Amino acid sequence: SYELTQPPSVSVSPGQTARITCSGDALPKEYAYWYQKKPGQAPVLVIYEDTERPSGIPERFSGSSSGTTFTLTISGVQAEDEADYYCESTDSSGTYVVFGGGTKLTVL
Amino acid sequence: EVQLVESGGGLVKPGGSLRLSCAASGFTFTSAWMTWVRQAPGRGLEWVGRVKSNTDGGTKDYAAPVKGRFTISRDDSKNMVYLQMDSLKNEDTAIYYCTTRIRIPDVWGKGTTVTVSS
Repeated sequence: SYELTQPPSVSVSPGQTARITCSGDALPKEYAYWYQKKPGQAPVLVIYEDTERPSGIPERFSGSSSGTTFTLTISGVQAEDEADYYCESTDSSGTYVVFGGGTKLTVL
Repeated sequence: EVQLVESGGGLVKPGGSLRLSCAASGFTFTSAWMTWVRQAPGRGLEWVGRVKSNTDGGTKDYAAPVKGRFTISRDDSKNMVYLQMDSLKNEDTAIYYCTTRIRIPDVWGKGTTVTVSS
């Protein structure tokens, strides 16, 4: 089955830049989406179609891609950004959706 | 207001069944592909399955762990989508979310909790 690979954890100090990667063989063909998930809350879409930011999401959130790796970058991390982050995409058939295993972002 | 509201969660014994419902409002439901996502305790997000709009064929697709046990259906006359869960296992214990990407940002419900335990 198709898999998306994320690092389990990333730690940064406030004001620094956090980068979270997501690797998957189908990523050059299929779009990637990023979600922020906090305990007790529904997921929030922070990046869609690889690089687009929904309205209401701070400009410090950005997405980029290179080959089979997609990266979520949070510039000038704030304490409120501490959360789990998940990438989401589709397998090469375009049928089955898959989430990465999630990355816990800790703001030191 | 664009909204999804899940209901029907609860405690069920292994091997039992449960039907979750998701009520949609504030958008053109007939055009929406509706998806179920779950999160087990201490685990990550997991795609459960999706039903396309009837205008796009109404195709239903399921993740491997639930295929053959779970069934998604929709009632466009009521703006409702359902998740019928049969032959439930302990590992199906999770919060189940209903979601759609009819627009950006996408729409999520608050979730309903399913606990499978004897």
